[in-house]
Amino acid sequence: QVQLQESGPGPVKPSQTLSLTCTVSDASISSGGYYWSWIRQPAGKGLEWIGRIYTSGRTNYNPALKSRVTISVDTSKNQFSLNLSSVTAADTAVYYCARTNLACNGGNCHVHFDYWGQGTLVTVSS
Amino acid sequence: SYEVTQPPSVSVSPGQTARITCSGDALPKQYAHWYQQKPGQAPVLVIYKDTERPSGIPERFSGSSSGTTVTLTISGVQAEDEADYYCQSADSSGTYVVFGGGTRLTVL
Repeated sequence: QVQLQESGPGPVKPSQTLSLTCTVSDASISSGGYYWSWIRQPAGKGLEWIGRIYTSGRTNYNPALKSRVTISVDTSKNQFSLNLSSVTAADTAVYYCARTNLACNGGNCHVHFDYWGQGTLVTVSS
Repeated sequence: SYEVTQPPSVSVSPGQTARITCSGDALPKQYAHWYQQKPGQAPVLVIYKDTERPSGIPERFSGSSSGTTVTLTISGVQAEDEADYYCQSADSSGTYVVFGGGTRLTVL
């Protein structure tokens, strides 16, 4: 069973950069076949996809966050990471990492998330 | 922008059938997927590609699609099914991923 675990340094001050890492177990990022995503959820609200990365380093980002997001991968550690810059209180949320199925057929692509980490709360506060 | 819409809440008595809908203009061409989220827990995939059920998900969970609406059906609802359910889809490029606002299922 694939396992994902988010980790990060804790609270972040406004205008700083939020950094999180997701460690994958019982699956190899470098094997390919899957993308790896970050998703967040403010307290009491819905889910928002942030972006994803492939083992090659290819990324796709939510257009609403693209200017502030960087996702990277370290296949030697079987980890991928999220950096979100210039954070505000609106970025306070539980952040999840998830394995991502992306399948394309005739130019039509479909995406879903089959394994999720337990999530980590990131608070932006001065 | 691409959106999918769910009702905020659905209530059902134990043993009855719950139906949660998700509507979106692109759903005739794009698959929808469903996630169950209980308080304080991560979402769990319960239906993918409109109708497919992952291993380990009870048979009482099923999905269907008709035009611009997809439906998650829970037959013989149990108390443990009380949760938030999210519909998710993507645009044809797979780049723009969207979640519905979620439906709170209450088991009376």
